[in-house]
Amino acid sequence: AQTVTQSQPEMSVQEAETVTLSCTYDTSESDYYLFWYKQPPSRQMILVIRQEAYKQQNATENRFSVNFQKAAKSFSLKISDSQLGDAAMYFCAYRSDRGSTLGRLYFGRGTQLTVWP
Amino acid sequence: GAVVSQHPSRVICKSGTSVKIECRSLDFQATTMFWYRQFPKKSLMLMATSNEGSKATYEQGVEKDKFLINHASLTLSTLTVTSAHPEDSSFYICSASPRGALGWETQYFGPGTRLLVL
Repeated sequence: AQTVTQSQPEMSVQEAETVTLSCTYDTSESDYYLFWYKQPPSRQMILVIRQEAYKQQNATENRFSVNFQKAAKSFSLKISDSQLGDAAMYFCAYRSDRGSTLGRLYFGRGTQLTVWP
Repeated sequence: GAVVSQHPSRVICKSGTSVKIECRSLDFQATTMFWYRQFPKKSLMLMATSNEGSKATYEQGVEKDKFLINHASLTLSTLTVTSAHPEDSSFYICSASPRGALGWETQYFGPGTRLLVL
């Protein structure tokens, strides 16, 4: 089974600064999808950004960007110009689209991000 | 965007009773729905995958007789916690995968249901 590892249980950043959250994964597949989700105190899961493994170009969504290194199986999230509203638990997730695991997400343990004013 | 609702948002029940949680896709048809359990400050643990019109596929270690899942239509899946006990207290989240979804399309998550068993 695929495994997703987030090695930073907690991170903190000053407002307006930049922070990078790490994620690595293990898979034998060549085609897959990677996601970062945000879970604020309300506990609603919110999609932040996604990346298709076949695309070499790193995905970007406004202040959020990823550094996708397929060979290294690394998928880090960079948050620029951090805002107080970015404070949340962030989950990295892998999605398989093959066989019996079609569509399911494999989640990392999460990184709790604190943003200081 | 796609919206998934869950009902109830929170429920308190006595030990030994059964509780039903509904998950609805409001503006799309979902051929597959997923049920997760989440403990405080922990990750989401997949309990089962349900496909419309067929039996749910449970993850290893999840008791299928205790957590009954029914996916009777393309917009509704239900999770019934039977004979609930205090250790079943948790946050339950559902997600739905749209019918005909492209590979890159993510699941859409409900807001979750907090269950407290006394």
